[in-house]
Amino acid sequence: DAGVTQSPTHLIKTRGQHVTLRCSPISGHKSVSWYQQVLGQGPQFIFQYYEKEERGRGNFPDRFSARQFPNYSSELNVNALLLGDSALYLCASSWGTGETQYFGPGTRLLVL
Amino acid sequence: GESVGLHLPTLSVQEGDNSIINCAYSNSASDYFIWYKQESGKGPQFIIDIRSNMDKRQGQRVTVLLNKTVKHLSLQIAATQPGDSAVYFCAERREGYKLSFGAGTTVTVRA
Repeated sequence: DAGVTQSPTHLIKTRGQHVTLRCSPISGHKSVSWYQQVLGQGPQFIFQYYEKEERGRGNFPDRFSARQFPNYSSELNVNALLLGDSALYLCASSWGTGETQYFGPGTRLLVL
Repeated sequence: GESVGLHLPTLSVQEGDNSIINCAYSNSASDYFIWYKQESGKGPQFIIDIRSNMDKRQGQRVTVLLNKTVKHLSLQIAATQPGDSAVYFCAERREGYKLSFGAGTTVTVRA
């Protein structure tokens, strides 16, 4: 069975630009969570979506937004990119909102 | 704020020996804990989990111990292999759905 997939794998942007990251959950999973992992640190929770509704949001500015589609895939959008947004962005899927989360390989974003 | 943390940032282990990775947490309301393994260039991989109503749980070559009295979690890896070299994170489930991770312990297996 396919695991969580994310695209693109790598991305280079400049300050002020906008970026969209995509995630496809494991088949049958209805919940998608997004995390930011800065080099040398553990992942930090950004959002969770369940059945297309936002379940919760971490301590991130409004420049970060997300949505979940009817097929349970998800997009993370970041506007007005800052240098500090450079990180590995991880998507995790789970059956339900409190179930075990399985991570994808991540999208590595570099902001210049 | 409260967070999950690991005692040591690095651990060097001889191949074949047992490894013990420790984690301290501060949120006594947490009811679910997970260990993840992250290899270079990859996303975190689920290893094992434990609920707060348990003290111990075993998997294949791994055991997780939970001591709620001192808010301590540990991961034991039996007969450590070169493929076990990675960064290990403990995570704590908060508010029923969001995971809070520590900084991680880098395990290096010596041949």
